[in-house]
Amino acid sequence: GAGVSQTPSNKVTEKGKYVELRCDPISGHTALYWYRQSLGQGPEFLIYFQGTGAADDSGLPNDRFFAVRPEGSVSTLKIQRTERGDSAVYLCASQSGGAYNEQFFGPGTRLTVL
Amino acid sequence: GDSVTQMEGPVTLSEEAFLTINCTYTATGYPSLFWYVQYPGEGLQLLLKATKADDKGSNKGFEATYRKETTSFHLEKGSVQVSDSAVYFCALSYQGAQKLVFGQGTRLTINP
Repeated sequence: GAGVSQTPSNKVTEKGKYVELRCDPISGHTALYWYRQSLGQGPEFLIYFQGTGAADDSGLPNDRFFAVRPEGSVSTLKIQRTERGDSAVYLCASQSGGAYNEQFFGPGTRLTVL
Repeated sequence: GDSVTQMEGPVTLSEEAFLTINCTYTATGYPSLFWYVQYPGEGLQLLLKATKADDKGSNKGFEATYRKETTSFHLEKGSVQVSDSAVYFCALSYQGAQKLVFGQGTRLTINP
C-alpha cells in the first residue's frame, strides 16, 4: 500500500510569503506528526495530532506556524511571513494504534526561503 | 529536557568491518529507544527499538542494547556492507507523549 506522501517535494519562496505544506498519511493511521530537519541535524518535533485535534503543539517555534487536520487524515502545515531561518526539510510521520507502534515517515518537503 | 547525543560523523569504514555508533541520552523518565536510518534518496525508517532497560533490539544484522546504568543505546554490526551506507539517527520517546527526540545523526559510508 501507499506510504506517507508529502507535497510539494520542494518549495522555494521569498521572505515574508505564506506557504502551505501538505501531508497524506497512511490510510487508517490516527496519529500524525510534523518534524523539521535543518541541514546536518536530526529532526525536531513540531506538532502531533491524534485524530483531528492537536494533542501536543509544544514544538511549534512561534505563532507564525500553524497546522490543521480537519478530517483526521490529511494535514497541512502553514507558515506565515516566512523567514530565511525557516529553511529546512519538513517531515511528516503517521502512526497507528498504540504508543510503541512505529512512526512511518514521508520523504519530506524541502523549504527554501530566499 | 530530554536529549540524545550521537558520536560525531562522518564515519567511513571498509566492507566487512565492525561498526559501532555511540548514542547516549538524557531523560527524566524511562523512555523507549530507537535507531532510525535514512538511506540516500529515501525517507527515515525504523531500524530497531528497545522499550525497557536491558532489552536488545535487532534487525538486518544491527543490534543495540538499552543500558540504563550508562544511559546508552550504542548501535553495532559485526560486518558492514556497502548497502549500509546511510545516515543513522538515535531517538527516544515516551509512552503517552509520543514525539520522538532525535540525535543529530551519524553519516556512515562503507567502501568496497
